[in-house]
Amino acid sequence: GAGVSQSPSNKVTEKGKDVELRCDPISGHTALYWYRQRLGQGLEFLIYFQGNSAPDKSGLPSDRFSAERTGESVSTLTIQRTQQEDSAVYLCASSLELQSSGNTIYFGEGSWLTVV
Amino acid sequence: QKEVEQNSGPLSVPEGAIASLNCTYSDRGSQSFFWYRQYSGKSPELIMFIYSNGDKEDGRFTAQLNKASQYVSLLIRDSQPSDSATYLCAVKAGYSTLTFGKGTMLLVSP
Repeated sequence: GAGVSQSPSNKVTEKGKDVELRCDPISGHTALYWYRQRLGQGLEFLIYFQGNSAPDKSGLPSDRFSAERTGESVSTLTIQRTQQEDSAVYLCASSLELQSSGNTIYFGEGSWLTVV
Repeated sequence: QKEVEQNSGPLSVPEGAIASLNCTYSDRGSQSFFWYRQYSGKSPELIMFIYSNGDKEDGRFTAQLNKASQYVSLLIRDSQPSDSATYLCAVKAGYSTLTFGKGTMLLVSP
């Protein structure tokens, strides 16, 4: 597609339920990022995938959070046993990851998660 | 711990003035520097990127990078009310994550 596509755009879920958020990066982009942004706050790094390398999971806030990526395509972020503090917009971004500098990173429109 | 620092603002400027947004970073290995604009309720939108020391101009926007001082800035000339948004500075080192500052809110008054 032309841009980074995320789904669902909005999700309301009950506390304790699991949710899956999907990201479809720009075709050919080897790098994929997940960020979380709480209302009025900055972007909080969650996880980074780069090609076939082991993902950088250092930003995942707890073991309730996990993410997978199929090759260099779609990624799914899963939040188990959701809590109210998980309410945020979850942003996915992708880029070509070339050896040299010059890798523009593009964001999707985000998945707005509300836990009630 | 990689850190990117920005003044949260708000930075208020009158229409037509120059807005100057500043950012410092802690990781000397940072190679790529980005400025994003984020309107309320929207996702970040890339404005500019810079890799080399000095200035880079694109229309009304100029990014300035000083790697020795670990400092990057964004100048917006002839500021417009539509420029009112939060501006996010982000840095990246090679094959690594993109680290964001918390953003500076810019308010341009008519």
